[in-house]
Amino acid sequence: KAGVTQTPRYLIKTRGQQVTLSCSPISGHRSVSWYQQTPGQGLQFLFEYFSETQRNKGNFPGRFSGRQFSNSRSEMNVSTLELGDSALYLCASSLGEGGEQYFGPGTRLTVT
Amino acid sequence: AQSVTQLGSHVSVSEGALVLLRCNYSSSVPPYLFWYVQYPNQGLQLLLKYTTGATLVKGINGFEAEFKKSETSFHLTKPSAHMSDAAEYFCAVSGGSNYKLTFGKGTLLTVNP
Repeated sequence: KAGVTQTPRYLIKTRGQQVTLSCSPISGHRSVSWYQQTPGQGLQFLFEYFSETQRNKGNFPGRFSGRQFSNSRSEMNVSTLELGDSALYLCASSLGEGGEQYFGPGTRLTVT
Repeated sequence: AQSVTQLGSHVSVSEGALVLLRCNYSSSVPPYLFWYVQYPNQGLQLLLKYTTGATLVKGINGFEAEFKKSETSFHLTKPSAHMSDAAEYFCAVSGGSNYKLTFGKGTLLTVNP
């Protein structure tokens, strides 16, 4: 089975711009979660989608949003980028019933 | 609410020595516990998990962990370290109807020849 894929792998944006990151889960997985990883804050939960519905949301501003499509693929969007948004954004998929999550390689976002 | 504390942000061992990475958790519901490993410039790879049942859990690459409810701990061990084990290790907890993972700050494992 193919693993979780994320595109793009690297991205450089300017403050004020917006960005969209994409995640394709493992085939058959209906839950997709997003995490932000930074040296200072570590791994922080952004949100989780299951069957196109946001089921859980972390403590991030409204500039961070996401969605899930009927094929379980997910996108997250960050608007009005700030320097502090520079991070590794990780997507994880699971069957959705509290089981293990499988992570993609991440998208490294740099905001200048 | 759930939280994870990993004792020691950096652990250094010699090749062939015992690896012990410590994790304590807090959870208001029966926890699901996980250990993940992250190599440089990569995502997280699941090493092992505890959900219910046997408290000693075996994972990949010779790692194992023991769930101790009375101590709220889930320490990761490996009898003999290998150079390829050098990486950052994360303990995580989830539970109840909240499927999000709450991670510890991570422990960087260095293996010396």
